[in-house]
Amino acid sequence: GDSVTQMEGPVTLSEEAFLTINCTYTATGYPSLFWYVQYPGEGLQLLLKATKADDKGSNKGFEATYRKETTSFHLEKGSVQVSDSAVYFCALRTNAGKSTFGDGTTLTVKP
Amino acid sequence: NAGVTQTPKFQVLKTGQSMTLQCAQDMNHEYMSWYRQDPGMGLRLIHYSVGAGITDQGEVPNGYNVSRSTTEDFPLRLLSAAPSQTSVYFCASATTGANVLTFGAGSRLTVL
Repeated sequence: GDSVTQMEGPVTLSEEAFLTINCTYTATGYPSLFWYVQYPGEGLQLLLKATKADDKGSNKGFEATYRKETTSFHLEKGSVQVSDSAVYFCALRTNAGKSTFGDGTTLTVKP
Repeated sequence: NAGVTQTPKFQVLKTGQSMTLQCAQDMNHEYMSWYRQDPGMGLRLIHYSVGAGITDQGEVPNGYNVSRSTTEDFPLRLLSAAPSQTSVYFCASATTGANVLTFGAGSRLTVL
């Protein structure tokens, strides 16, 4: 079946550090890939997405590129802020509408 | 535009009690789903629906019932609550296909 594996946390960084959260997936066909973010006490919200190979999703300084050859969708940000502290989920969704989530990576950014 | 609305936000039950978590969306989404979120286990799909009158089981359906009588509403029923059902529950909806899920704010349930 489909699966998503993401970097285990927690991850603690200093402000302005570079962030990478690794995500790899297995799926049949050509799923869309997503990063969702969950702030404390809230539901998940879309951070960025990519719908086909080599697409780059970007939002709020975060980027991820859909790499079909390595089945990866790693999340990156060049300079994190304290306000980026949250839980980040990598996910895929197939054309049949089935979604699969990774276990989430908790990011803490210290001033 | 309210998006996905879940009620209640918090609930405490005793073992054996029943209750319903409500979920409503105003985006005319065909697809609706319920997840539970437990520490270290990510999100697990309980039940989902691809349209009114159609429901199906997800990864962890035991102990839960759902129905989809309208496009807007997708309630989750706990028939006889157990401590293992202590969790945070999220309702999410989407248009059909490989599209973005819109999540509610969550319902935190504690079963004593």
